[in-house]
Amino acid sequence: KQEVTQIPAALSVPEGENLVLNCSFTDSAIYNLQWFRQDPGKGLTSLLLIQSSQREQTSGRLNASLDKSSGRSTLYIAASQPGDSATYLCAVLHNTDKLIFGTGTRLQVFP
Amino acid sequence: KAGVTQTPRYLIKTRGQQVTLSCSPISGHRSVSWYQQTPGQGLQFLFEYFSETQRNKGNFPGRFSGRQFSNSRSEMNVSTLELGDSALYLCASSSEPGGYTEAFFGQGTRLTVV
Repeated sequence: KQEVTQIPAALSVPEGENLVLNCSFTDSAIYNLQWFRQDPGKGLTSLLLIQSSQREQTSGRLNASLDKSSGRSTLYIAASQPGDSATYLCAVLHNTDKLIFGTGTRLQVFP
Repeated sequence: KAGVTQTPRYLIKTRGQQVTLSCSPISGHRSVSWYQQTPGQGLQFLFEYFSETQRNKGNFPGRFSGRQFSNSRSEMNVSTLELGDSALYLCASSSEPGGYTEAFFGQGTRLTVV
């Protein structure tokens, strides 16, 4: 059974810091991994999708890497801003043809 | 290009009642998936519809059902509501089924059962 874990559960940092959020999965047989952000009480916003054949994807200040063999993905946020405050979720597509979500990292960036 | 639209945004229902939630996917997307999000369980997959057919189902009781129409809009129904059904219900649309392409989520429907 695929399990997805995100560490840390919560993170509070001053503006301007570079951040690394972690996502671990127990079964390396995944098809892709997607990172989302969720603002309180809102839906999910897709950030990056990494296919299993890729090692990383970049969008603006965000960079996500994928290491299937070790069952890990990291989301790197450069020069964090207060507007980055949200919960960040990773999800893996396993052989069950459905996304399995992690528990999320709640990020707060203060001025 | 319009995003994923979920209606209503908020609902308050009484135990025992039934409820229907609606999801309109991004134009051109034929896959719609539904998820339940609660503080204790996180995001859990309910089911996926593609071209009017349910192609995948999560571990939820039969009180949870859904359907998809020819225009790809989807509805989710929950009968005999229980207090534990209180949650944020999210739908996601994608161009292909099975999660192989990027999933785009709606704002969700907040259901409160009293």
